[in-house]
Amino acid sequence: QVQLVESGGGVVQPGKSLRLSCAASGFTFVSYGMDWVRQAPGKGLEWVAGIWYDGSNENYADSVKGRFTVSRDDSKNTLYLQMNSLRVEDTAVYYCARVSRARFYGAGSLGYWGQGTLVTVSS
Amino acid sequence: DIQMTQSPSSLSASVGDRVTITCRASQSISGYLNWYQQKPGKAPNLLIYAGSRLQTGVPSRFSGGGSGTDFTLTIDSLQPEDFATYYCQQSYTTPSTFGPGTKVDF
Repeated sequence: QVQLVESGGGVVQPGKSLRLSCAASGFTFVSYGMDWVRQAPGKGLEWVAGIWYDGSNENYADSVKGRFTVSRDDSKNTLYLQMNSLRVEDTAVYYCARVSRARFYGAGSLGYWGQGTLVTVSS
Repeated sequence: DIQMTQSPSSLSASVGDRVTITCRASQSISGYLNWYQQKPGKAPNLLIYAGSRLQTGVPSRFSGGGSGTDFTLTIDSLQPEDFATYYCQQSYTTPSTFGPGTKVDF
């Protein structure tokens, strides 16, 4: 069965960096685009970043553009989110999610989600 | 970026009620609209994709409709496990965007 397991969250000071990982299993990782979605405490969902199945394109929300980088290592079936210059407003649970359609270019519905990892940015 | 709005932001309902949630996009997104259910402390769960297609395993009391800018999620005969927050998401273009959510409670 499809499994997505995030890790790397924690408490970090403003201006610092953190890298999140998402280990995928139960499906052919190289065939699917992957996204990061976050949820601040008590707030709604915010799409953060996505990478196409072949790694040929990355997209970002305006709120993180220039600070966050999404990448994937298909040899390790792992998705990453490098977060630099963190701000207090980046505090959230970060979910990785799999685009539903295989070998699909562009945005898509998200059929599988991890359990999330909490990032707290605080001095 | 495409902005998504939802109405109402919250609603009170009872078991057996028929509930309709509306989602509106700031520009036409054709049929590229998805609906998710989220329960407290859990990851979202995809209910409806491409406007009206029921995700595998989702009960048939859930249905979606609409195209262009206006969409609806309907729950026929609300069940106890349906009390949750519902989000729409446009996947017409990147960056993808979510609506602010609709909380369905007692």
